[in-house]
Amino acid sequence: GAVVSQHPSRVICKSGTSVKIECRSLDFQATTMFWYRQFPKQSLMLMATSNEGSKATYEQGVEKDKFLINHASLTLSTLTVTSAHPEDSSFYICSARGTPVHSPLHFGNGTRLTVT
Amino acid sequence: RKEVEQDPGPFNVPEGATVAFNCTYSNSASQSFFWYRQDCRKEPKLLMSVYSSGNEDGRFTAQLNRASQYISLLIRDSKLSDSATYLCVVRHQGGKLIFGQGTELSVKP
Repeated sequence: GAVVSQHPSRVICKSGTSVKIECRSLDFQATTMFWYRQFPKQSLMLMATSNEGSKATYEQGVEKDKFLINHASLTLSTLTVTSAHPEDSSFYICSARGTPVHSPLHFGNGTRLTVT
Repeated sequence: RKEVEQDPGPFNVPEGATVAFNCTYSNSASQSFFWYRQDCRKEPKLLMSVYSSGNEDGRFTAQLNRASQYISLLIRDSKLSDSATYLCVVRHQGGKLIFGQGTELSVKP
C-alpha cells in the first residue's frame, strides 16, 4: 500500500536553531500535504496545507515565517521550524494524498521535536 | 468551541466490556467522517469510515446522525489490545481533516 515516510523520527535541538522535517510519499504522487502538530494529551492540530508548486495555506494562529513549508515536488514536502524555542517541542505529523480530493490520506510516522 | 468535540476520557473498562464513544461536530458542511486510533507516541491510523446507514467491522460499529451532527463508535467484547486513544475526525471539502481531542480507552484484564 501507499507509504509516507517522515524523517527524522526524533530530534533534539538547542534553542535558536532551525530544524527541518521531511515528508516523502514513496509510491504515489502527493498533490496535497497536511502538517499537524500534537501536544501531549491533545489532539492533532492542523498547521498548514500545501499543494505541490504553491504556497502553503496556514491555519489561524500558525506563524508562516516560523514554520516554513516547502512542497516543491510531488513526492516531497518539508517543514522547517525556524529559531526553535522550548515551546515548539511537540509531535509533528505530515499526511499526504493524491488526486482526486477525496483520495485516502496517508500519515507519516511523526517527528518528536525536543528543544532544549 | 472546538469544531469536533468528544467525550472526555479516560475510559477504564474490563476485558469483554462494551464501550461507546460519542462525538459532535459543528460544521454542517463537513463531508466525510472517520474514527482513527492512535497509540502512544505514534501516528493515527484509520479505524473505520462512518456512514449515515451505520457500518460494522467486526466488534466495531460506527454511526452517523447528520441531523444531530453526532457520531458514535461502539466497541463490543473489548480486548486488551483495544487500549488506545480514539479520535473522531471530520473531513472538509478540499480534503482537510479536523481531529477531535481524542478519548483514551484503557482495557484492563
